[in-house]
Amino acid sequence: ETGVTQTPRHLVMGMTNKKSLKCEQHLGHNAMYWYKQSAKKPLELMFVYSLEERVENNSVPSRFSPECPNSSHLFLHLHTLQPEDSALYLCASSQDRAGPTDTQYFGPGTRLTVL
Amino acid sequence: AQSVAQPEDQVNVAEGNPLTVKCTYSVSGNPYLFWYVQYPNRGLQFLLKYITGDNLVKGSYGFEAEFNKSQTSFHLKKPSALVSDSALYFCAVRDMDSNYQLIWGAGTKLIIKP
Repeated sequence: ETGVTQTPRHLVMGMTNKKSLKCEQHLGHNAMYWYKQSAKKPLELMFVYSLEERVENNSVPSRFSPECPNSSHLFLHLHTLQPEDSALYLCASSQDRAGPTDTQYFGPGTRLTVL
Repeated sequence: AQSVAQPEDQVNVAEGNPLTVKCTYSVSGNPYLFWYVQYPNRGLQFLLKYITGDNLVKGSYGFEAEFNKSQTSFHLKKPSALVSDSALYFCAVRDMDSNYQLIWGAGTKLIIKP
């Protein structure tokens, strides 16, 4: 596998369920990101990890819980979500978070539907 | 505050014609600008970026973008559109006040008609 992979590609869950999204990057990058993409809105940055340390948390509700066990893997743990959390969740990675010229590379996303 | 705008929700172009997708920005300091494309049911793919130097930046799939400092614009262009170019295009600018986070436009849907 190359690039950034995400599983599952589609997820339907009830408001009381607990699920996890997984992201893996095969690019040797040091930074990883979670974004939320809703229709006709700019991408919303949720979390940033650099060298496995969380460096950004953009006022995301606690029902979203990230985990970065190593520089290649990133998880987003979900519990007691709301219907408005339904969206496409994108994972990205970059060589280094701190550089202004750094390019982010994205996975295909997980389409999440909360019933 | 840094910001980026894509003034058109949708752009329609006939196949073979030139295309332009518009992006304007507002930053303090030097702008670092990016274009990404998203095909249906796919993640975002990097097309090109402007860092410094030549105002015309060449990228993937035959796309290029023109940086215009006086008009604070970074429009995406292609001389001859293909039906396969139909997708969602996003412009982004680096936020120099917030740990270099990317600030994203809302996206422009490009439709190329045969």
